[in-house]
Amino acid sequence: DAGVIQSPRHEVTEMGQEVTLRCKPISGHDYLFWYRQTMMRGLELLIYFNNNVPIDDSGMPEDRFSAKMPNASFSTLKIQPSEPRDSAVYFCASSLWQGGAEAFFGQGTRLTVV
Amino acid sequence: GDSVTQMEGPVTLSEEAFLTINCTYTATGYPSLFWYVQYPGEGLQLLLKATKADDKGSNKGFEATYRKETTSFHLEKGSVQVSDSAVYFCALKDSDSNYQLIWGAGTKLIIKP
Repeated sequence: DAGVIQSPRHEVTEMGQEVTLRCKPISGHDYLFWYRQTMMRGLELLIYFNNNVPIDDSGMPEDRFSAKMPNASFSTLKIQPSEPRDSAVYFCASSLWQGGAEAFFGQGTRLTVV
Repeated sequence: GDSVTQMEGPVTLSEEAFLTINCTYTATGYPSLFWYVQYPGEGLQLLLKATKADDKGSNKGFEATYRKETTSFHLEKGSVQVSDSAVYFCALKDSDSNYQLIWGAGTKLIIKP
């Protein structure tokens, strides 16, 4: 398996524009997580899915953020409209359900909003 | 709720020094414990894990022992290299948290030649 695949790797956009980040989890994994990492706030869990269903979105900063998982092999994180404070590295990770199973991370998308 | 506490960084050591990064946890169930490493510009990757008390996880010369009596999972390495410079995250998964990962804040490790 190629691991968790995220696209794009880098995104530069202007304030107010819509941004869509994409993730392909490892085949067969039950859980998918979206994280945001910044110097100030560290690693933050935004939302996670179990079997394509959103379980906890309490980490989503505000209504400008939305995430979907239309099928087991694809998820998106959308920011509309984007703001400079959204600049961060966004990670997608996937995992099996079992307690001892580790999460596998993608390489991340570095988002810069100017 | 569950939580993980790591020692604050950065931790700066000379090459070949002994490394300890402390990690303690609070959990209501019987968690699995993990150490992840993040090299500059990369995603997090699993370094080692332990799924029950007294288990020792090991990888690349790093070790950590699951101590239920002290609720700890300290990361150790006998002789660090410059290439070990990275950020290290301690994490747990617990049935009471629906198996989502609970993360420590991360500890930046700097190894000087």
